[in-house]
Amino acid sequence: GEKVEQHESTLSVREGDSAVINCTYTDTASSYFPWYKQEAGKSLHFVIDIRSNVDRKQSQRLIVLLDKKAKRFSLHITATQPEDSAIYFCAARSYGSSGNKLIFGIGTLLSVKP
Amino acid sequence: DPKIIQKPKYLVAVTGSEKILICEQYLGHNAMYWYRQSAKKPLEFMFSYSYQKLMDNQTASSRFQPQSSKKNHLDLQITALKPDDSATYFCASSRDRANQAPLFGEGTRLSVL
Repeated sequence: GEKVEQHESTLSVREGDSAVINCTYTDTASSYFPWYKQEAGKSLHFVIDIRSNVDRKQSQRLIVLLDKKAKRFSLHITATQPEDSAIYFCAARSYGSSGNKLIFGIGTLLSVKP
Repeated sequence: DPKIIQKPKYLVAVTGSEKILICEQYLGHNAMYWYRQSAKKPLEFMFSYSYQKLMDNQTASSRFQPQSSKKNHLDLQITALKPDDSATYFCASSRDRANQAPLFGEGTRLSVL
């Protein structure tokens, strides 16, 4: 079935540095890629998304890049702050044989150290 | 105020019993979903509903049955509970099933003993 691979299971950066989380997907028909943040013991909170008609999107300190040829997308968090520490999930909307659904990566635990 | 309400927040059940997880959304959304998050697996899609109709079912076991009594309700009935069913179950919703990010509820943490 369709999959989303999230390459970094943990990531540790110093406050002020940039953090990059990379994901790849298998469904060539995927056209929508949201990112979510989950703080300890809490629910998933939507942070940013990108559609396949663009290859870059920025919202304040968050940048998402999409490479459709390589079926790869990434989240860049610039000027990181301690409150950015959380688990980040990438996802891709799949239209495969098992229907229309959002498939998630396993999550990246980001630690921002002061 | 939370716009997607899940009840209960925590649930402890014994093996073999049956439980119903409640979800209501007050966002005016037409699509609702159930996802499961456990320590062993990534966030798993279970079901999607649109206008109270089942659209996608990714759950192999018939022990999991979604129920939509109203447009803004999507409950999840789980029968013959097993310890492996222990997980956090998230309800989510979106305006429709096109390219939008669903909003998630706070989850129901289920423990099966």
